[in-house]
Amino acid sequence: EPEVTQTPSHQVTQMGQEVILRCVPISNHLYFYWYRQILGQKVEFLVSFYNNEISEKSEIFDDQFSVERPDGSNFTLKLWSTKLEDSAMYFCASSERLGAQGYTFGSGTRLTVV
Amino acid sequence: GENVEQHPSTLSVQEGDSAVIKCTYSDSASNYFPWYKQELGKGPQLIIDIRSNVGEKKDQRIAVTLNKTAKHFSLHITETQPEDSAVYFCAAKFHSGYALNFGKGTSLLVT
Repeated sequence: EPEVTQTPSHQVTQMGQEVILRCVPISNHLYFYWYRQILGQKVEFLVSFYNNEISEKSEIFDDQFSVERPDGSNFTLKLWSTKLEDSAMYFCASSERLGAQGYTFGSGTRLTVV
Repeated sequence: GENVEQHPSTLSVQEGDSAVIKCTYSDSASNYFPWYKQELGKGPQLIIDIRSNVGEKKDQRIAVTLNKTAKHFSLHITETQPEDSAVYFCAAKFHSGYALNFGKGTSLLVT
């Protein structure tokens, strides 16, 4: 079964550092997403990406975040200057089309900011 | 924005019993309601979903019901097994939006 692959599985970084989280969505999917889950809390939407541009973003997704699809397979989330409160699980997801039969999530990257 | 409430936060059932998890949503324009199962160390995995033009959907031991008037939807798991133990999340999507709005999750324990 096709999977969304995320790397690394765990990232530890110092406050103020830049971090890039990487994702390989399912190959025939056209819509890509990042979500985060702070420990013990709900999964929260960050951003969606379609046709090489951001299609929707939440209030959480401020100027300290950016997304990119640098080639035909990868989808990245960059945090420009990490804060302690950025510590969370970050999930990448993809879907074949808008409102498709579910979004397929990756296993996540646990980001720990110290 | 859309607000999704989920209850209960924890649920413990005996193997073979049924489990029911309930969610309410605030935006009447939401039209897609998936349920996800999350096991420890893994990402959410879609287990069943329903669209607003359908009242009920069933897949083997799992069923989802939707009451559009009351703006609530429920997950029903029958004949529970230990491997059903996980955190379950409901979600709702605004009809023209991209984001899934998740509930806070229900930790189900089957013993």
